[in-house]
Amino acid sequence: KQEVTQIPAALSVPEGENLVLNCSFTDSAIYNLQWFRQDPGKGLTSLLLIQSSQREQTSGRLNASLDKSSGRSTLYIAASQPGDSATYLCAVFSSGSARQLTFGSGTQLTVLP
Amino acid sequence: GAVVSQHPSRVICKSGTSVKIECRSLDFQATTMFWYRQFPKQSLMLMATSNEGSKATYEQGVEKDKFLINHASLTLSTLTVTSAHPEDSSFYICSARDRDSWETQYFGPGTRLLVL
Repeated sequence: KQEVTQIPAALSVPEGENLVLNCSFTDSAIYNLQWFRQDPGKGLTSLLLIQSSQREQTSGRLNASLDKSSGRSTLYIAASQPGDSATYLCAVFSSGSARQLTFGSGTQLTVLP
Repeated sequence: GAVVSQHPSRVICKSGTSVKIECRSLDFQATTMFWYRQFPKQSLMLMATSNEGSKATYEQGVEKDKFLINHASLTLSTLTVTSAHPEDSSFYICSARDRDSWETQYFGPGTRLLVL
C-alpha cells in the first residue's frame, strides 16, 4: 500500500527566502506525482504535475523535482511571499491495481512579511 | 481548464438527518469520480470511487450504507450522508477523472459539513 510522507509538517519563513518542501513515497510504481496548494477551508489548486518519466517541472517561482527510484520529490519555492502561505500537499498516482491518488499529510507554510 | 463544482459549499444539519452533496464536471465527461474526506489539519482520505452507471467501490472502513454514492450520469455524482452524526462533520471533496485523460483528476472546491 502506497504511503506518502511530507516533511516538515509546518514551516515558517521570512518573506524573500527560498524554501524546499519534501515529499517521500514508499512504492515507486507511479504514473505521476502532483503538488497541490490548499488555502484554509478551500479546495485544492494544482500547482505542478510531474510524469514518472520526468525529472522536474517548473512554473514561475515553483520548481518540483522527482526521483522515482528513491521515492522522493521536492517543491522549491523561490523568493517566498506572504501570499504563498498555505498548506502544500503532495499526491502520488500509483500504477498497478490501485490506480488512485494517495495524499501526504501536507506542509503548512507561513511566510512572514 | 476542466472545472468541477460542488454544491452546497457549506451545510449545517441536525444529528439524524441526511445530507446530499453534488459533484459536477462542468466542461468534460467524467467516467470516474472520487470522494474524499478531510478532517482538520489532516490530509485527504479517499472514501470511495464511483464509475458512471455502476456501484461505487468503497475504501476499507467506509460504511457504504451510511455514505450513499450515486453516479447516474457522466457529469454528476452525489454523496448522501445518511443519519448524520457530529463525528461526520468534515470537509468533503470530490474529484473527477476526464474520460480522455485518465491520469488527471480535477478537484471540486469542497463541501464543509457541520452536524450539530
